[in-house]
Amino acid sequence: DPKIIQKPKYLVAVTGSEKILICEQYLGHNAMYWYRQSAKKPLEFMFSYSYQKLMDNQTASSRFQPQSSKKNHLDLQITALKPDDSATYFCASSQDTAETLYFGSGTRLTVL
Amino acid sequence: GDSVTQTEGPVTLSEGTSLTVNCSYETKQYPTLFWYVQYPGEGPQLLFKVPKANEKGSNRGFEATYNKEATSFHLQKASVQESDSAVYYCALMRQGGRALIFGTGTTVSVSP
Repeated sequence: DPKIIQKPKYLVAVTGSEKILICEQYLGHNAMYWYRQSAKKPLEFMFSYSYQKLMDNQTASSRFQPQSSKKNHLDLQITALKPDDSATYFCASSQDTAETLYFGSGTRLTVL
Repeated sequence: GDSVTQTEGPVTLSEGTSLTVNCSYETKQYPTLFWYVQYPGEGPQLLFKVPKANEKGSNRGFEATYNKEATSFHLQKASVQESDSAVYYCALMRQGGRALIFGTGTTVSVSP
């Protein structure tokens, strides 16, 4: 059974719309992350959270907002979508920050 | 800033031949070095990690030595199999860091 669940697996959106990418982890980890993978920048770090608090934000745009409603959840809200946002978004978790990361299978977002 | 540079792919091999994927890194602090592997439709998964300089990591026939003087961490396997076809990522995490920094990935294709 997958220990990091990302939903949906595929997502198609129109330019200007808003979407939420869901991530839940069942590894009992305290730290969670978002990474983006595209043809231009493979596996680009976006955010890290520890105990539901934002630790690092490497995303220049405020259109990307992580949301942590529970310790094992870290969703990603993306507003005013652009075609350049098309990518696969990976959620990851680790026991603590600076530990080995475990990745989900990704949400593939296409913005038309 | 921190960076990782890898062999540019794709690398195409026949079963039974040897594989080397070069990885060099730049960081101001002593990092932990990682190799991750990604199969189609999945997230990256840890192959192995090495936290200390001059030590070797290995898993499933793959190995790499943390060479602090040369700032390198080359991945090697003596005899590849078709099932080794995947994208391989070298990555680093700085001491006390909170983000795993990935190289651009190397696509390896092994033909029977």
